[in-house]
Amino acid sequence: SAVISQKPSRDICQRGTSLTIQCQVDSQVTMMFWYRQQPGQSLTLIATANQGSEATYESGFVIDKFPISRPNLTFSTLTVSNMSPEDSSIYLCSDLGNGYTFGSGTRLTVV
Amino acid sequence: DQQVKQNSPSLSVQEGRISILNCDYTNSMFDYFLWYKKYPAEGPTFLISISSIKDKNEDGRFTVFLNKSAKHLSLHIVPSQPGDSAVYFCAASSADRGSTLGRLYFGRGTQLTVWP
Repeated sequence: SAVISQKPSRDICQRGTSLTIQCQVDSQVTMMFWYRQQPGQSLTLIATANQGSEATYESGFVIDKFPISRPNLTFSTLTVSNMSPEDSSIYLCSDLGNGYTFGSGTRLTVV
Repeated sequence: DQQVKQNSPSLSVQEGRISILNCDYTNSMFDYFLWYKKYPAEGPTFLISISSIKDKNEDGRFTVFLNKSAKHLSLHIVPSQPGDSAVYFCAASSADRGSTLGRLYFGRGTQLTVWP
C-alpha cells in the first residue's frame, strides 16, 4: 500500500488566517480524500480530489473555505481559509487503494 | 445523519482476554466494511475488512463478523494485548471492492484499553 507524508503535523493559528496542509504520496494514486475529525466525532469527508479536475465537495463544505489543489497524481493540498475556532480539528488525507492509506494527520488549533 | 454507529465510546479488557468491538449501520447499500486502528498523533491504520458476500474474515488475532440482516458487524481481538490499546474506527462503503471504491462513512470510534 501507499505511504502518505502529511505536513504540518500540528499548528496553532490565529483566527482569520489560512493554513495549507500538504500530502505527498510515494506512488501515483487516482483519487485522494480529505477528512476532518472534530473532537469526539467521526471522520467526516470534506472532498474528493482527482488530478486534472476540480475537487468534489461534500454537503456542508465549500471550495471558498477549503480550496484543494491536485497538481499531479502524487500530491495534494488542502487550505483551511479564514479560520475560526470551530475549524480546530484533525485534518487527514487518504488515498484510494487497498484499505485506504491515511496520512498521519494535522492537528489544527485556532485561537 | 450518522450512517455508521459505534455506540460504545470505550472498552476496557484484561490482557489475554477477548475484545469485542461493535458497529451498526443503517444504509443497506453498504457492501464493504473496514476496521481501522488509530494511535494518538497518528493517522488511522487499516486493520481488516470484509465484503458483504462474506460473514467472517480472519487475520491472525483479528476476526471481523458481519450480520447483514441485523446491519451489524463486530471486531474480535483474541488474545488482547496491551499494544492493542488504541481507538478503533468502523467504516463502510457502498462501492464494490475490487473496483473504484466509493467514499467511506466512519463511526465515531471506540477507545480500547487493554490492561495487564
